[in-house]
Amino acid sequence: GAGVSQSPSNKVTEKGKDVELRCDPISGHTALYWYRQSLGQGLEFLIYFQGNSAPDKSGLPSDRFSAERTGESVSTLTIQRTQQEDSAVYLCASKGLAETQYFGPGTRLLVL
Amino acid sequence: KNQVEQSPQSLIILEGKNCTLQCNYTVSPFSNLRWYKQDTGRGPVSLTIMTFSENTKSNGRYTATLDADTKQSSLHITASQLSDSASYICVVKPDKLIFGTGTRLQVFP
Repeated sequence: GAGVSQSPSNKVTEKGKDVELRCDPISGHTALYWYRQSLGQGLEFLIYFQGNSAPDKSGLPSDRFSAERTGESVSTLTIQRTQQEDSAVYLCASKGLAETQYFGPGTRLLVL
Repeated sequence: KNQVEQSPQSLIILEGKNCTLQCNYTVSPFSNLRWYKQDTGRGPVSLTIMTFSENTKSNGRYTATLDADTKQSSLHITASQLSDSASYICVVKPDKLIFGTGTRLQVFP
């Protein structure tokens, strides 16, 4: 496909469990971003990957959150020991040479 | 503190009518301002990107304006359609993107 894809679309988990969210960026896009969108809130920056540079992790809310990206391909966002306040939509975006970020459909996470 | 505020929070209009959404920001330094449209259950889609020197930019029935002196932007939607029902998010970039909380627009027939 031509767009950014994310999986799973929806995830329901129990408090304390770990979850892993996946993002497939647009082919050739060197930049990849993770955002969190809570109900009624604006998008919150989490982490940014640019090529082979060290990622900008300044938006990660706690050490329970981590993300990896292999080269310029797939990225995974991992949340350990999930809490109810982690419930949100997690959006991934990728960017090529132009300024526009292209967003995926998001993963809706519900922590019970 | 860098902030992006949007108004109104929600808006209901009839199909065919025009509407204007507002965005005020206190972001410095300023790089660019973007408007995104986010359909329910989907990721945001870029409508326009405006730099400091651009006052207005159109994308079909969407026209964005920017006043960098007063730090205000507006998004004008002409002849609204049912498919315009979505959240419209104003985003300002100093270095990272700073997102507003959006205006939820509902267009009724």
